[in-house]
Amino acid sequence: DARVTQTPRHKVTEMGQEVTMRCQPILGHNTVFWYRQTMMQGLELLAYFRNRAPLDDSGMPKDRFSAEMPDATLATLKIQPSEPRDSAVYFCASGLENYGYTFGSGTRLTVV
Amino acid sequence: AQSVTQLDSQVPVFEEAPVELRCNYSSSVSVYLFWYVQYPNQGLQLLLKYLSGSTLVKGINGFEAEFNKSQTSFHLRKPSVHISDTAEYFCAVSRAGGYNKLIFGAGTRLAVHP
Repeated sequence: DARVTQTPRHKVTEMGQEVTMRCQPILGHNTVFWYRQTMMQGLELLAYFRNRAPLDDSGMPKDRFSAEMPDATLATLKIQPSEPRDSAVYFCASGLENYGYTFGSGTRLTVV
Repeated sequence: AQSVTQLDSQVPVFEEAPVELRCNYSSSVSVYLFWYVQYPNQGLQLLLKYLSGSTLVKGINGFEAEFNKSQTSFHLRKPSVHISDTAEYFCAVSRAGGYNKLIFGAGTRLAVHP
């Protein structure tokens, strides 16, 4: 089965450090999402792309977060500088139009 | 804008009993509806989806859901659950059409007991 691949699976970093999370969407999928999951807030949409162009990043704190798709096989989510409140599981999902998206296994981020 | 309410945060049930997980949505436009399952330390897996057509939708692992437009509901059901169904279940909604974001409910923790 085709999969969405996220790296790293786990990341522990100190407050103030830069964090980069990567996602390889399924080949041929033209829509890519970034979600954040926490116990308090549940699943929050951070940003999403269609054909590599950002469609909506209103859920993302602009001062420290950035999301890009340098090419069709790679999506990145960066946090600089990181803060303890950024600790969460970050999911990438991809799909073709709006027929249900495939999620990756997530990156569990801990900022100490 | 769309929103989703999952009415139960936790549902305990005995093995081989039937279960229903409730989901209500709000939207002023046509929607697509989805149920996802999340096992511990894993991503979300699509169980089933309603896009159009028959209001009774069958998914994987023996689950089904019924779209009720008048009651704005999309409840998930299974006639007989297994221990392995223990997981978190998320209902999600999106505006109908292409390239729209998924809005998730808070999730329902299904705990199946022997």
